[in-house]
Amino acid sequence: AQTVTQSQPEMSVQEAETVTLSCTYDTSESDYYLFWYKQPPSRQMILVIRQEAYKQQNATENRFSVNFQKAAKSFSLKISDSQLGDAAMYFCAYRRGPGTASKLTFGTGTRLQVTL
Amino acid sequence: EAQVTQNPRYLITVTGKKLTVTCSQNMNHEYMSWYRQDPGLGLRQIYYSMNVEVTDKGDVPEGYKVSRKEKRNFPLILESPSPNQTSLYFCASSLSGRGRNQPQHFGDGTRLSIL
Repeated sequence: AQTVTQSQPEMSVQEAETVTLSCTYDTSESDYYLFWYKQPPSRQMILVIRQEAYKQQNATENRFSVNFQKAAKSFSLKISDSQLGDAAMYFCAYRRGPGTASKLTFGTGTRLQVTL
Repeated sequence: EAQVTQNPRYLITVTGKKLTVTCSQNMNHEYMSWYRQDPGLGLRQIYYSMNVEVTDKGDVPEGYKVSRKEKRNFPLILESPSPNQTSLYFCASSLSGRGRNQPQHFGDGTRLSIL
């Protein structure tokens, strides 16, 4: 079974600085997807960024980027120019490749604080 | 507006009193799923449905039932709720259950407290 590990329960960053959230996963498959979701205090689950395992290029969405290391099974999220609105719980998630059911396996989350 | 709608948003009830949490999506999605979120455990899948009349167990199905009689609706049923089912519940949907890189759309969550 696939597992997702987020080893940082809490992180803190100053406004305008950069922070990196860690995620590792375990799988024997070669084709899969990885996601970062943001959960603000409103409890919504908001997709931040996604990565397809067969793509070597790291995904980027504005201030959010990932460092995808397939061999190391690592998928970290970098937030640049942090803003107060980035404060939230962040979940890393894994999904098996196409042709399999869309179940997401989540990590336990990292709570990010943004300070002035 | 494309969305997944869950009701109720909050519910406090007592042990043993049957309850249903509704989930409806307006995107004609085939795949729907229920997750529960608990502190320190992240989100775990309860049940999922690949299409109408096709449902299957996720990782933590005990104590829950689901049905998928229509494409848009996927209710979660707790026949005899117990305090260990106190949790935050999310419904999610995606276009296809097996497609490539199709993001899941989440509802806003239902906070359930069983006393």
